Amino acid sequence: TQLLEQSPQFLSIQEGENLTVYCNSSSVFSSLQWYRQEPGEGPVLLVTVVTGGEVKKLKRLTFQFGDARKDSSLHITAAQTGDTGLYLCAGARTTDSWGKLQFGAGTQVVVTP
Amino acid sequence: DAGVIQSPRHEVTEMGQEVTLRCKPISGHNSLFWYRQTMMRGLELLIYFNNNVPIDDSGMPEDRFSAKMPNASFSTLKIQPSEPRDSAVYFCASSLDPVTDTQYFGPGTRLTVL
Repeated sequence: TQLLEQSPQFLSIQEGENLTVYCNSSSVFSSLQWYRQEPGEGPVLLVTVVTGGEVKKLKRLTFQFGDARKDSSLHITAAQTGDTGLYLCAGARTTDSWGKLQFGAGTQVVVTP
Repeated sequence: DAGVIQSPRHEVTEMGQEVTLRCKPISGHNSLFWYRQTMMRGLELLIYFNNNVPIDDSGMPEDRFSAKMPNASFSTLKIQPSEPRDSAVYFCASSLDPVTDTQYFGPGTRLTVL
C-alpha cells in the first residue's frame, strides 16, 4: 500500500490544454516534493513545499501544499509536448528525516501535438 | 559538472548469480541513496549513507542485498544470490545534506534476472 496516493495514474491530453495531478495521504508530511522522470533517466526535482497552504509557481507549473500538509496538487497550464513524463510526489514525514522520502506511484502524463 | 554516475546501465543475469551495481556520487556530496523502482511498488528507498556511514537500511529487502560506501566517491549495491523478483531499475542519488538538500538522481541501472 502506497503511503502517498497519486491520481490519476495516466493522463493523456493535447498541447494547450490544462491538467492537474493529485497526491493524497492520510499522514502529515513536513515537506513534499514533486519530481518529473523521463524514460531512461532518474527523477528530477521540480519543487519542494514545506508550509501548509503554500503555493509555488514554476513557469506554467503551479504546486500547492494542502493546509493540513496531507495532500498536494500540481497544475500545468497550456501543456506542451515537453511536459510529457512521469510525475512523482515524495514526502518526508518528520523534519529530521527529509532524506528518507516516500514516493507515490506516479502519474504518467502524455501531451500530444 | 558530471552528475551521478551509475554502472552498468543495463545488466542481464541468471538467477543465483551475484550482481554488483556501482555508483559515483556528485563530488562534494555527503549523502548517498540507493532506490529501486518497479511498476508494482514504484520508487522505494533501500538504504542511505551520510559521510560514508549507513544511516538507514530499513528498506533493504533481505539479507541477499548489501551496500557499501568505502569512500566518498564510490558506493556499491550487491545482490547475492539474485532472483527474478529483483528485476527492477536501481537508482543512486546524492545530496549535499540528507535533511535539507536536493537529491540528484543518476540514470539508473536496469537489472533483469532470468
